[in-house]
Amino acid sequence: AQKVTQAQTEISVVEKEDVTLDCVYETRDTTYYLFWYKQPPSGELVFLIRRNSFDEQNEISGRYSWNFQKSTSSFNFTITASQVVDSAVYFCALSETGNMLTFGGGTRLMVKP
Amino acid sequence: EAGVAQSPRYKIIEKRQSVAFWCNPISGHATLYWYQQILGQGPKLLIQFQNNGVVDDSQLPKDRFSAERLKGVDSTLKIQPAKLEDSAVYLCASSLASGGVETQYFGPGTRLLVL
Repeated sequence: AQKVTQAQTEISVVEKEDVTLDCVYETRDTTYYLFWYKQPPSGELVFLIRRNSFDEQNEISGRYSWNFQKSTSSFNFTITASQVVDSAVYFCALSETGNMLTFGGGTRLMVKP
Repeated sequence: EAGVAQSPRYKIIEKRQSVAFWCNPISGHATLYWYQQILGQGPKLLIQFQNNGVVDDSQLPKDRFSAERLKGVDSTLKIQPAKLEDSAVYLCASSLASGGVETQYFGPGTRLLVL
């Protein structure tokens, strides 16, 4: 069975600080996909990134970066120089086959000015 | 390109009443999903459609929940009768196809409060 754990339920930082959101997953499949979504107060889940199990290269997109490590079953997300607009709940999710997404419990990030 | 549309955005009902939610996926997306998100938790899949056929409804409480996607485009999710524990946000998502793993795009959700 697949499982995603986001141990940090809430993180508070001051603007311009760097912050890392942790994600640990469990799966028995060798082929799987990992995702990060952002959920602002408006409620809509916004897609951020998708990574397949065969691609362990780290990815950077502007202030966002992701660190995928199969050895520790982790897919961590770092925001550099955080901004108030980054305040949201962030979800890590896993998909094995058939497109069913299993979400973690989410991490609420609060960025204070 | 228009995103996933959902209505209504908010609904308040009393327990034992019925309620229906509507979803219009992104144009061309064959696969449609309904998720339930209880406050403080991650979304949980209720049902997945591929065109107008059900792919996975293993987590749908079929004694009170039903969903349909008659023409392979729009979908409705119904709860009858509602219970207090059904209070949640109901999210609709769509993706291109189900042959491989496709990225799911989500609508704004319908926030349901059962009193």
